Amino acid sequence: AQTVTQSQPEMSVQEAETVTLSCTYDTSESDYYLFWYKQPPSRQMILVIRQEAYKQQNATENRFSVNFQKAAKSFSLKISDSQLGDAAMYFCALEGFGNEKLTFGTGTRLTIIP
Amino acid sequence: DAGVIQSPRHEVTEMGQEVTLRCKPISGHNSLFWYRQTMMRGLELLIYFNNNVPIDDSGMPEDRFSAKMPNASFSTLKIQPSEPRDSAVYFCASSSTWGGGSSGANVLTFGAGSRLTVL
Repeated sequence: AQTVTQSQPEMSVQEAETVTLSCTYDTSESDYYLFWYKQPPSRQMILVIRQEAYKQQNATENRFSVNFQKAAKSFSLKISDSQLGDAAMYFCALEGFGNEKLTFGTGTRLTIIP
Repeated sequence: DAGVIQSPRHEVTEMGQEVTLRCKPISGHNSLFWYRQTMMRGLELLIYFNNNVPIDDSGMPEDRFSAKMPNASFSTLKIQPSEPRDSAVYFCASSSTWGGGSSGANVLTFGAGSRLTVL
């Protein structure tokens, strides 16, 4: 069984500052994939960033980067230079190799303070 | 590409009525997923298809729910009869394969969702 835990239901950050959203997971798979999805008020789920667990290097996408700690089963998302458009629910998700099912966390609501 | 297209965007119906939600996946994507999102339970996978064949429907809550994918470009999720507890946002997603490893990961592209309210 796979579980994904997001322990921060809500976070806020000042515009232009940096914020880190936490995610921990548990899986019996030796290899897997990790994702962060964003759900703005429009409610459409949008892929933010993805990571292959067998790769040591942390993934980055412009202002978004992850801190992947495989031994600790931690996959946090860092947003640099926060913008008003970053306000959304953020979901961490995990998919095991050969298993097409994504397991989602409960989400973190991020508020950007102007 | 227009992305994953879902209809209707909003549906309000009365308890006992039949509800049909529709989804057009991205052309070339060979897997399709139906998710339900509620405040209480978060995002739940209901069913997914691969090459139009249902692979796992263990998330379908009851026999009142059924899903079909008659061809690669269309899928439906039907609830009959509907109940107030079915009120939720229903998402359809299709996926392409990404990455290394033995099989690659499914990278989901979601539709905008169908908000269902059952009175």
